[in-house]
Amino acid sequence: QKEVEQDPGPLSVPEGAIVSLNCTYSNSAFQYFMWYRQYSRKGPELLMYTYSSGNKEDGRFTAQVDKSSKYISLFIRDSQPSDSATYLCASSGSGGSNYKLTFGKGTLLTVNP
Amino acid sequence: GAVVSQHPSRVICKSGTSVKIECRSLDFQATTMFWYRQFPKQSLMLMATSNEGSKATYEQGVEKDKFLINHASLTLSTLTVTSAHPEDSSFYICSAETRTSGKGGEQYFGPGTRLTVT
Repeated sequence: QKEVEQDPGPLSVPEGAIVSLNCTYSNSAFQYFMWYRQYSRKGPELLMYTYSSGNKEDGRFTAQVDKSSKYISLFIRDSQPSDSATYLCASSGSGGSNYKLTFGKGTLLTVNP
Repeated sequence: GAVVSQHPSRVICKSGTSVKIECRSLDFQATTMFWYRQFPKQSLMLMATSNEGSKATYEQGVEKDKFLINHASLTLSTLTVTSAHPEDSSFYICSAETRTSGKGGEQYFGPGTRLTVT
C-alpha cells in the first residue's frame, strides 16, 4: 500500500462547481499536509499547507485534515477554467533534519467554461 | 516570496554527454533542497536530498555516480546527469525548503527542466 493514495481522476466539472479532491494516507507519523497545483509541463505550486487536523481556508480554497481517519481534502469553490490542472496532495512527518514529502499520484481536474 | 528558479528549462543532448541543471532559491536561503524526477502523467519521485555543505542523501535505487548533486551555497544546488542515456529523458524538478523552527518545512518548487537525450 502506498503511503499516500489519491484518485488520479480525471475529474471534469462545469465552471462554478464546487470541486472536492481527496487523499488518504497510512503513515501515522505524518503531521504536515500540503496541496500542490501543477500545470502541464510546470513545477508544482504550493496551494495549502496545514499542520495536524483541522481546516484552513484561503480564498476559494479550503483544506481539511482528519487525522483520526487519515483523510485529506481540498475544496475549490466557484471553480474557474484557470483551475484546470493536476492537484497533488503531499504529507510529511516531523523530527530529524529533513522533512521529505510523500506525494499522491495527483488528480487531473478540468473545469469546463 | 519563496521563488525557486531552474536553469535550463529545456535541454536536448546526445547520448553519452553530461548535463548540469541549476536550482536557485531567489529570495530566501535554503539549507535543504530536493531533486525530483517526474515521468509523464506520474507523480514526483524523490531522487535525493541536498544539504548545504554536505553530501547529498540519495533515495534507494538512484545511482549517486550518475546523478551528481552539489549544494554549494544556501541558494544554489546543481544536479549533473553524467553520461546521459535516452532512458534518463525526463522532467527534473528541484525544490527548496523554508524552515520555521518546530515546523515541517514547506517546499517550494522550481519550474522544472525537461531533459531529452537523443
